[in-house]
Amino acid sequence: AQSVTQLGSHVSVSEGALVLLRCNYSSSVPPYLFWYVQYPNQGLQLLLKYTTGATLVKGINGFEAEFKKSETSFHLTKPSAHMSDAAEYFCAVTSNTGNQFYFGTGTSLTVIP
Amino acid sequence: EPEVTQTPSHQVTQMGQEVILRCVPISNHLYFYWYRQILGQKVEFLVSFYNNEISEKSEIFDDQFSVERPDGSNFTLKIRSTKLEDSAMYFCASSNTGELFFGEGSRLTVL
Repeated sequence: AQSVTQLGSHVSVSEGALVLLRCNYSSSVPPYLFWYVQYPNQGLQLLLKYTTGATLVKGINGFEAEFKKSETSFHLTKPSAHMSDAAEYFCAVTSNTGNQFYFGTGTSLTVIP
Repeated sequence: EPEVTQTPSHQVTQMGQEVILRCVPISNHLYFYWYRQILGQKVEFLVSFYNNEISEKSEIFDDQFSVERPDGSNFTLKIRSTKLEDSAMYFCASSNTGELFFGEGSRLTVL
């Protein structure tokens, strides 16, 4: 069975401050991990993904995430928040043996000017 | 860049009516999915489809729901008799190698 937990349904940061969105996963097989972003009234857009290889993955818009197996975590970070980063962020897990994605409950990011 | 397209973008229907939501997945993808997002809630898996049959479905996907790939391009979700609680955004997605590509969604409002 696989699942993800996103700690903090709402996160607020000041413009220019560090963004940290937390995601912990549970998986009985090696996971594939994803972060998706959803802007208001839009669909889900892939930010970044981890499948195999380098544990620090870089995505679009300056975001990156690090897969830490020992902590079962895949937290999303960005060094300096921009107003345009305000959106809903979803962590998701699947595996190379399954074709079902499991999404977290989402974290709404607010950027304060 | 190839993309998943969904129609309609918004549909309003009366309770008890049948609704068909349409999706055109990315052309060389083999796995197709429907997800649902009730306003303010998380994205929920409904069903996955591979090789012209359902490969997995969730508890939400009861007898009122069905999916079909009527031709080589379309992938449809039918809700036979809509209920108020079916009001949600429905997302179609397709994949080949472990990354889901989502459409913009179809917002269904049941009155």
